[in-house]
Amino acid sequence: QVQLVQSGAEVRNPGASVKVSCKASGYTFASFGISWVRQAPGQGLEWMGWIGVYNGNTNNAQKFQGRVTMTTDTSTSTAYMELRSLRSDDTAMYYCARETGSGPFFDYWGQGTLVTVSS
Amino acid sequence: QSALTQPASVSGSPGQSITISCTGTTSDIGSYNLVSWYQHHPGKAPNFMIYEGSKRPSGVSNRFSGSKSGNTASLTISGLQAEDEADYYCCSFAGSGGVVFGGGTKLTVL
Repeated sequence: QVQLVQSGAEVRNPGASVKVSCKASGYTFASFGISWVRQAPGQGLEWMGWIGVYNGNTNNAQKFQGRVTMTTDTSTSTAYMELRSLRSDDTAMYYCARETGSGPFFDYWGQGTLVTVSS
Repeated sequence: QSALTQPASVSGSPGQSITISCTGTTSDIGSYNLVSWYQHHPGKAPNFMIYEGSKRPSGVSNRFSGSKSGNTASLTISGLQAEDEADYYCCSFAGSGGVVFGGGTKLTVL
């Protein structure tokens, strides 16, 4: 069965970086894109960006451009999302999600990684 | 890219039907038939409920249905059940702007 398993919770100081991983199994990793979505406490879902696993193309939300890098390692079927220059309002649950082939529809999600930014 | 507009909350009794609206613009919902809906129970990963505005993924109950008219998409849940109580999010492709979610609607089953 399809599974996306994310790395564990992280705590960072303001100004630091964090890199979250998302290990896929149960399907051909290169055949589907991966998006990253976050949810700040008490807030809604927010799309951060997408990476095409097959070719490495990315499309990031304007809000995060210059601060986020999405990569994949096809040898381990793992996607990564690195967010830099962290601020307190980056405190959120971060999810990876598999995109179906027909559009920006997210059919499988990771369990989420809580990133806390605090001094 | 601004978030799509959803009501903050809706409620209904078991067995009733409710509809959640999701209003966007001509830059997102109005221009693309690429609306999806997600059910989110707190502390869990979201569930994929509707895609392309009205299609149900395999395994999703036919009590869930979606529609779109102009810049507004809607999710209807019929025969409300206690386990339907959750947050619901709409989502749309927004062209070069990427993807945008709604602010979320909390469904309470009375």
